[in-house]
Amino acid sequence: AQSVSQHNHHVILSEAASLELGCNYSYGGTVNLFWYVQYPGQHLQLLLKYFSGDPLVKGIKGFEAEFIKSKFSFNLRKPSVQWSDTAEYFCAVTIPNTNAGKSTFGDGTTLTVKP
Amino acid sequence: EPEVTQTPSHQVTQMGQEVILRCVPISNHLYFYWYRQILGQKVEFLVSFYNNEISEKSEIFDDQFSVERPDGSNFTLKIRSTKLEDSAMYFCASSGGWSRPGANVLTFGAGSRLTVL
Repeated sequence: AQSVSQHNHHVILSEAASLELGCNYSYGGTVNLFWYVQYPGQHLQLLLKYFSGDPLVKGIKGFEAEFIKSKFSFNLRKPSVQWSDTAEYFCAVTIPNTNAGKSTFGDGTTLTVKP
Repeated sequence: EPEVTQTPSHQVTQMGQEVILRCVPISNHLYFYWYRQILGQKVEFLVSFYNNEISEKSEIFDDQFSVERPDGSNFTLKIRSTKLEDSAMYFCASSGGWSRPGANVLTFGAGSRLTVL
């Protein structure tokens, strides 16, 4: 079964700092990869996704992520964070073409951006 | 943009009571899911549902849990006899499945917070 690891549990940054959140998965075959964001008191929202093609994917709000197959990684990046980026970030993986299509989530990374 | 809607947003119940959480998935979606997030913990898969039957369920989804799509629009999660440890946020999600590329993106509802006293 696939698993997802997010090594940074809590990241604290100042506004305008650059962000990189790590995500590694364990599955040898083809995967679909996702980053979700959960703002305080709100539901999960999709930030970006990777299915195939260009390994550098761009999402909403200036976020991007790079899929490195050899490293089984899908790290999330943002060049300059804002206070409003304070949230919980979840990486998730889905095995395509399976009947269930369920997503397996990482533990999440809490990002706190200081104004 | 189409949404997944969940009711109630918050339910408080006594231990041992039955609870039904309701979800209205996106209308043309084929796959339906329930996930759970205990406060401060990660999002956990509970069950997936396709073609009117359970496709897959996790270890968490024991005999106390059941799902149903009673009328073609609602998708419900029933907990027969709630325990304290069932207190969590329950998220419903739906997806279009694999019928076309990119359709398997899950759209999540806002969640139903269950508090068991």
